[in-house]
Amino acid sequence: DGGITQSPKYLFRKEGQNVTLSCEQNLNHDAMYWYRQDPGQGLRLIYYSQIVNDFQKGDIAEGYSVSREKKESFPLTVTSAQKNPTAFYLCASSTPGVGGSYNEQFFGPGTRLTVL
Amino acid sequence: GENVEQHPSTLSVQEGDSAVIKCTYSDSASNYFPWYKQELGKRPQLIIDIRSNVGEKKDQRIAVTLNKTAKHFSLHITETQPEDSAVYFCAASKVGNDMRFGAGTRLTVKP
Repeated sequence: DGGITQSPKYLFRKEGQNVTLSCEQNLNHDAMYWYRQDPGQGLRLIYYSQIVNDFQKGDIAEGYSVSREKKESFPLTVTSAQKNPTAFYLCASSTPGVGGSYNEQFFGPGTRLTVL
Repeated sequence: GENVEQHPSTLSVQEGDSAVIKCTYSDSASNYFPWYKQELGKRPQLIIDIRSNVGEKKDQRIAVTLNKTAKHFSLHITETQPEDSAVYFCAASKVGNDMRFGAGTRLTVKP
C-alpha cells in the first residue's frame, strides 16, 4: 500500500482537547503533506514539508500545527483553536522530479477524526 | 494561489459508455496535472498524470488531455465498467511542490 501509514484509523476527541495524528513513510520521500477532506469539498491542503525541519502553511492551516524532525515522520496536531475539526485527514508523500517537475503523491489510508 | 475547478460534481453513465471530467486551473505556472481515483473509504490513488510539455496521454481506457492556452485539462474514460465507479479528483501543481485539488466528481457506472 505504498509504504505510508497513518494512525489511528479512527479518533474521537472532546471539545477543547488537542490531538495528534501520526503519519509515517518508508519511501524515502523528501516531501510530505497533510490534507483535510470534507464531503463535496475535495482535498484541502493544511501543511506541507519539502525537507526535514522545514514546512509551509497550506490553504487552511489555522488551528493546526506540524513538525518535521525526521524525514520519515510528519505528525499533525489538531488544536482546540480549530473550530470544526471533524473530518477525514489524509497524509501524503512525494519526491520532487527533475528540473522542478513533480512526481505523484502517495497517500496514507487516512484518519477519521470526530469531535464529540 | 492556484485554484482548480472541476466539473461535473456528479456523473452517471451506462456501462460501456464514455465519461469525461473537466478541470480548469488558474496559475499558468502549473506544470503537473495528476488525476486520482478514490473508492469509498479508501485512499486516493493516481490513475494517470500529464506534464505541461505534453498535450495528451493515454493508458488503456483512460486518457488525459491538456490545453495550456485555455488552462484546462480533461479525463476521458472509455468503455466504462461498474468498477470505475468512484470519486475522481484532478489536481495541479508547480515549482514549490504544493498541489491543489479539484472538488471531485462522483462517477457512477450503471450496469
